[in-house]
Amino acid sequence: EAQVTQNPRYLITVTGKKLTVTCSQNMNHEYMSWYRQDPGLGLRQIYYSMNVEVTDKGDVPEGYKVSRKEKRNFPLILESPSPNQTSLYFCASSEPGTGSEKLFFGSGTQLSVL
Amino acid sequence: AQSVTQLGSHVSVSEGALVLLRCNYSSSVPPYLFWYVQYPNQGLQLLLKYTSAATLVKGINGFEAEFKKSETSFHLTKPSAHMSDAAEYFCAVSGIGRGADGLTFGKGTHLIIQP
Repeated sequence: EAQVTQNPRYLITVTGKKLTVTCSQNMNHEYMSWYRQDPGLGLRQIYYSMNVEVTDKGDVPEGYKVSRKEKRNFPLILESPSPNQTSLYFCASSEPGTGSEKLFFGSGTQLSVL
Repeated sequence: AQSVTQLGSHVSVSEGALVLLRCNYSSSVPPYLFWYVQYPNQGLQLLLKYTSAATLVKGINGFEAEFKKSETSFHLTKPSAHMSDAAEYFCAVSGIGRGADGLTFGKGTHLIIQP
């Protein structure tokens, strides 16, 4: 089954404790992206990757890091989480084309930073 | 620059009534437009997309949307609401880069279906 898998589904942590949210896709997609979803703000892009070893900032990259060492994996790293990073995070992937490609989303990771 | 405005953070309709969710966009290039749906505790799923072919686009679950360039709108409609349509709906525009990297989402509209 084609899917984007995020782990963990829920995460509670404390300020300053490094964490990683994993994302993996089994569709051989070149493009992957991370979004955060906040009430009243919709989805905002954090980082995206057009291919292996190619990453770029989205709209709200501050406080986040990503890496793309393999095509299927695109982990999101919070080196020193802060309470304002409490949010619902989504990973997504697609096959780049002419702009009409469909984004496949993971089920989300609800992060709470205390 | 591109942006998306969804009018109404919450829309409530009765079961069987017309659903109309409004989306207006701005884009410096001819846009590609999308509607995504998010059911509770799930990720987003693509409902439909406009990519400069027919201006009336049909999607899944009986939804459709019409691209109106003169009004810079891409409103989502469904003739008869069903309880299972209760969800969050996001309009999105792809302009710069034309790909998923250039996708901008609206803030979302929560659709409530009254029995």
